[in-house]
Amino acid sequence: DQQVKQNSPSLSVQEGRISILNCDYTNSMFDYFLWYKKYPAEGPTFLISISSIKDKNEDGRFTVFLNKSAKHLSLHIVPSQPGDSAVYFCAASARDYKLSFGAGTTVTVRA
Amino acid sequence: EAGVAQSPRYKIIEKRQSVAFWCNPISGHATLYWYQQILGQGPKLLIQFQNNGVVDDSQLPKDRFSAERLKGVDSTLKIQPAKLEDSAVYLCASSLSSSGGGADEQFFGPGTRLTVL
Repeated sequence: DQQVKQNSPSLSVQEGRISILNCDYTNSMFDYFLWYKKYPAEGPTFLISISSIKDKNEDGRFTVFLNKSAKHLSLHIVPSQPGDSAVYFCAASARDYKLSFGAGTTVTVRA
Repeated sequence: EAGVAQSPRYKIIEKRQSVAFWCNPISGHATLYWYQQILGQGPKLLIQFQNNGVVDDSQLPKDRFSAERLKGVDSTLKIQPAKLEDSAVYLCASSLSSSGGGADEQFFGPGTRLTVL
């Protein structure tokens, strides 16, 4: 069963505009959420995280928002750059620290 | 700092054959993970080691998959015999903490892409 869902398999955005990636989860025990970025032929790399005690975490151009009541989180990238073209995975963990991943969203930034 | 190394990068085998993958984690990392990523899906944890002991292998198909981490460093993942549905990318990751954890950043290797014909 998919506990973490990324319902948009792809996203195309103009360079300089905002990219918004969405993620929904079903397990109410999840208390830590992460975003990973993956380039072709490489492993995923950690991008940004947020714990359930916060509703926003910002790191440079990347901001993650968490809405616990809706079991929803989003990643905002602004401004989007060509190097941001990659697959983005949402992941979540509970106290057992096991990561559950979504299926990923492929972002393409157009020049 | 060298990253997580995996080999081979690609492997093509026929069903019912055996295959093994190797992983060398980042030096000093106590926790090692093997994930299976099927095309169009996110990575799924197969097994987690803490040093040379198994922490979690609940999603490892033990009738055909085995893994070991001798001396708490390198690890091998074996499939015997392989099935068509084993076609996937096998990712190895490591983290520093001896307790593992989602709050403990996992560093991923490039993966081994397995094709079973």
